[in-house]
Amino acid sequence: DGGITQSPKYLFRKEGQNVTLSCEQNLNHDAMYWYRQDPGQGLRLIYYSQIVNDFQKGDIAEGYSVSREKKESFPLTVTSAQKNPTAFYLCASSELDEQFFGPGTRLTVL
Amino acid sequence: SQQGEEDPQALSIQEGENATMNCSYKTSINNLQWYRQNSGRGLVHLILIRSNEREKHSGRLRVTLDTSKKSSSLLITASRAADTASYFCATDIARQKVTFGTGTKLQVIP
Repeated sequence: DGGITQSPKYLFRKEGQNVTLSCEQNLNHDAMYWYRQDPGQGLRLIYYSQIVNDFQKGDIAEGYSVSREKKESFPLTVTSAQKNPTAFYLCASSELDEQFFGPGTRLTVL
Repeated sequence: SQQGEEDPQALSIQEGENATMNCSYKTSINNLQWYRQNSGRGLVHLILIRSNEREKHSGRLRVTLDTSKKSSSLLITASRAADTASYFCATDIARQKVTFGTGTKLQVIP
């Protein structure tokens, strides 16, 4: 069963804590992406990676960090520097133009 | 920044009616894609239209592209309650990198 998995589905954290969101794909795609979605809004690009061991900042990278040590995995860390982290986070991967999305992680900061 | 803007922001129709939503964008593109998002879920790719194409069909979906007006439309014919979702257009801004619009929220009333 091929696809993208994200975990956990719901995540709660206290202010000042770092938290890491998992994204794994078994589609053998080179490119992977992290997006943030706020209520009633579109998707904004946080970071993307076109190949292992390489990644670029998107439009709203401040307060976030990523790594791409393996082709299958692209974890996102939401640091305490992110001022308003409560949002829905979506991971995606692509080979050509079409992007395949995971089910998302809803992060709430208490 | 978001290149695509969908119109209308929200649309409510009766089952069996057609639904039309529009997307306008600002800069030249190689292709334009439409995605669907059910509430609280990831996005699902619907259809891609390239800049040298004017119209494309997939099942009950019909997409048009007018590059001179920098606009696209998505028509869903004979709508069903299961079509209730948000619909986003996405335009490519660089190789394997797209930007998403703000979405149209469609409600199909049984």
